[in-house]
Amino acid sequence: EAGVAQSPRYKIIEKRQSVAFWCNPISGHATLYWYQQILGQGPKLLIQFQNNGVVDDSQLPKDRFSAERLKGVDSTLKIQPAKLEDSAVYLCASSEPDRGTTEAFFGQGTRLTVV
Amino acid sequence: EDKVVQSPLSLVVHEGDTVTLNCSYEVTNFRSLLWYKQEKKAPTFLFMLTSSGIEKKSGRLSSILDKKELSSILNITATQTGDSAIYLCAVSGNYGQNFVFGPGTRLSVLP
Repeated sequence: EAGVAQSPRYKIIEKRQSVAFWCNPISGHATLYWYQQILGQGPKLLIQFQNNGVVDDSQLPKDRFSAERLKGVDSTLKIQPAKLEDSAVYLCASSEPDRGTTEAFFGQGTRLTVV
Repeated sequence: EDKVVQSPLSLVVHEGDTVTLNCSYEVTNFRSLLWYKQEKKAPTFLFMLTSSGIEKKSGRLSSILDKKELSSILNITATQTGDSAIYLCAVSGNYGQNFVFGPGTRLSVLP
């Protein structure tokens, strides 16, 4: 079974530039998550999709971050404009339709450095 | 607001030692507690504990859920250098809408 695919693996941009990350979840997984993991901290949920609908985006900085999952499969996360504090690893994860007892599978992540 | 606390935040041991990592949580409508191992970037799944499965074991790793104390422990016996990683604890609540992670415990196993 193919895992969660993410690209790019690494990205370095200057502050105020824009950047986009892509995620392809495990086939058949209806739930998709984007997490931000700052160095030394645990992953923090940015947004959760169920199919192509948003379930939770309460911690997404909507003035600069946006995400979409138009066809209920792939997803993109965009930052515009980037700030220094956005430097982090962005993890995409997916899980089967939620029944409260399914684990999330993670991609390799994208390490973003904002300079 | 759901919250997960882990201790210790960092731990250094020698090969062969036994370690116990702790996780405590506050979550609305608890559904499950998960342990992940993070070596580079991608957390890899270790265990899931629920009300119907409060103890899990796999090789040298084992975990127990204490629903009364709202906590869990992860035990690793006969540690090896390959066990060096960050161990993350996460909980699922609110009817399993998302996973809230703790800060992780960074384990270093010295030869």
